Amino acid sequence: QKEVEQDPGPLSVPEGAIVSLNCTYSNSAFQYFMWYRQYSRKGPELLMYTYSSGNKEDGRFTAQVDKSSKYISLFIRDSQPSDSATYLCAMTPSGTYKYIFGTGTRLKVLA
Amino acid sequence: NAGVTQTPKFRILKIGQSMTLQCTQDMNHNYMYWYRQDPGMGLKLIYYSVGAGITDKGEVPNGYNVSRSTTEDFPLRLELAAPSQTSVYFCASSYSGGEGEKLFFGSGTQLSVL
Repeated sequence: QKEVEQDPGPLSVPEGAIVSLNCTYSNSAFQYFMWYRQYSRKGPELLMYTYSSGNKEDGRFTAQVDKSSKYISLFIRDSQPSDSATYLCAMTPSGTYKYIFGTGTRLKVLA
Repeated sequence: NAGVTQTPKFRILKIGQSMTLQCTQDMNHNYMYWYRQDPGMGLKLIYYSVGAGITDKGEVPNGYNVSRSTTEDFPLRLELAAPSQTSVYFCASSYSGGEGEKLFFGSGTQLSVL
């Protein structure tokens, strides 16, 4: 079993839809949870960051962490064609900088 | 700001050749990392460095070597290239390597070994 599981997609949605992206994990030591966005032929860039359980909102983006279920989500409201990218979840245990990345979900928002 | 710069962007190698992937950052970050990204496999850590003169292995170090003589530069060396090293390579940096700290990535080097 992989430490972090992420559906690779692709996920296609119409413009304006609400998008839900998810990751599950097996290591209960993970404390820091991140979402990176990666455009084609570019490096990943940090989108959202959450410590432990709870929600965090930033504009159209909301990150949720449910540690009891070992499940994290990224919601994108009013999705735009410019949101078309691959979204990677990443996490680290406390006391380490060694990130574990999901495989990424490819999202396409259709105009 | 340039951030993290990687060269070259693309390269084709023959089996058994060697090459160096260059990475430089201008943010005065102490921590630097090399990842490889394969389809369906996510990002895997090859090597990392916590400062000039200090490097350590990540998850998939076999077939690679690194050095860190300055804060800015962190080259990755491939010796005796093999088809299994066909991948996209990303260099990244962070300021202090703190838990969950933001990683800054370069734009990648796409390498094919034929």
